Amino acid sequence: GAGVSQSPSNKVTEKGKDVELRCDPISGHTALYWYRQRLGQGLEFLIYFQGNSAPDKSGLPSDRFSAERTGESVSTLTIQRTQQEDSAVYLCASSLSGGRGAGQPQHFGDGTRLSIL
Amino acid sequence: EDKVVQSPLSLVVHEGDTVTLNCSYEVTNFRSLLWYKQEKKAPTFLFMLTSSGIEKKSGRLSSILDKKELFSILNITATQTGDSAVYLCAVTGGGADGLTFGKGTHLIIQP
Repeated sequence: GAGVSQSPSNKVTEKGKDVELRCDPISGHTALYWYRQRLGQGLEFLIYFQGNSAPDKSGLPSDRFSAERTGESVSTLTIQRTQQEDSAVYLCASSLSGGRGAGQPQHFGDGTRLSIL
Repeated sequence: EDKVVQSPLSLVVHEGDTVTLNCSYEVTNFRSLLWYKQEKKAPTFLFMLTSSGIEKKSGRLSSILDKKELFSILNITATQTGDSAVYLCAVTGGGADGLTFGKGTHLIIQP
């Protein structure tokens, strides 16, 4: 079946602009995660959605970052007033169920490479 | 603060060699440890370990977890050039709902 799909695959934008990144999880996966991977760094957790529960936003680095998900479908990550330090690969993952106690592995999309000029 | 440390950060070996990659962790309420392989884009899932001392195996790859000493190893035997990748270790159960990742081991297999 189809894996996690992310779009666009690449995005180049000017500093100060807003960007919107999209993630389409694997069908039937209730949990969805966003991560950021900066050059030479490990993946950093940003936000987690589980069904209709309140999301865990504890990893969002500033109030310029926000994300939405409707039910168990597509999610969008929005970065407002982009800064050069936002340049990174943004990865989305989904799993059958999620959270700190879950035993289901996360499956990743190919990511969106975001470059801020 | 939850922490995952991988070693070595990079490793170059010849085809046919056996390699061992290390991952140590400090996390509150540990639940599981996962290994991923990342080539150009998406990390691909290799193993999830929850119980100490039980080896997980898939072909030439195997992994084991030691919950007392808080570490895991990933072994690759008879390495091939296609094994060249960054190998990522991550844990669940920390202060957030997402995975806490190490920086990865960049493995290069020379023909």
